[in-house]
Amino acid sequence: SQTIHQWPATLVQPVGSPLSLECTVEGTSNPNLYWYRQAAGRGLQLLFYSVGIGQISSEVPQNLSASRPQDRQFILSSKKLLLSDSGFYLCAWSANTMNTEAFFGQGTRLTVV
Amino acid sequence: GENVEQHPSTLSVQEGDSAVIKCTYSDSASNYFPWYKQELGKRPQLIIDIRSNVGEKKDQRIAVTLNKTAKHFSLHITETQPEDSAVYFCAASKDSNYQLIWGAGTKLIIKP
Repeated sequence: SQTIHQWPATLVQPVGSPLSLECTVEGTSNPNLYWYRQAAGRGLQLLFYSVGIGQISSEVPQNLSASRPQDRQFILSSKKLLLSDSGFYLCAWSANTMNTEAFFGQGTRLTVV
Repeated sequence: GENVEQHPSTLSVQEGDSAVIKCTYSDSASNYFPWYKQELGKRPQLIIDIRSNVGEKKDQRIAVTLNKTAKHFSLHITETQPEDSAVYFCAASKDSNYQLIWGAGTKLIIKP
């Protein structure tokens, strides 16, 4: 069966510090991968999605970046965090061969102080 | 591109009553419509979905209806229970890219 791992679960970082959130998927090949951000009490904002290794599409201009160094690994990064980067970050995957369910990681609650 | 609107943003119902959440979409090519439930502090999880070749789908107390002509779909929860309290998201996607376009979410509150 397929599983998705996202870590860390919580993170407190000072303004101006770097960020690296990692997400890995097991049990499937060539998945579509997504990074979402969710502000408190708000909806899901798509940040990045990837349909293959090295293929990243950005939905929102910001100081974040994403990379997909391996088929089932998706990394969200920032060189310098802003206060406004605080939120709940969710990684997700879906099959790339049909219209179907997206599976979410447990999420990372990032607080920038 | 596709746009999905979801209403209401907050819905408060008495325990035991029914709840209905509605979504409209703009792209007539969309053919997959899932609903996700997100409990506080947790990840969204699929509760039911429907494809464009079906008008209605039911799973115990949950049902989804789709009106392709009007381009809207709705989530129906009957006999609501306290554990139904959560945020519900609708989404739409199509075969050309499988990318889900999300509604803004509905906070459902079940009053005892």
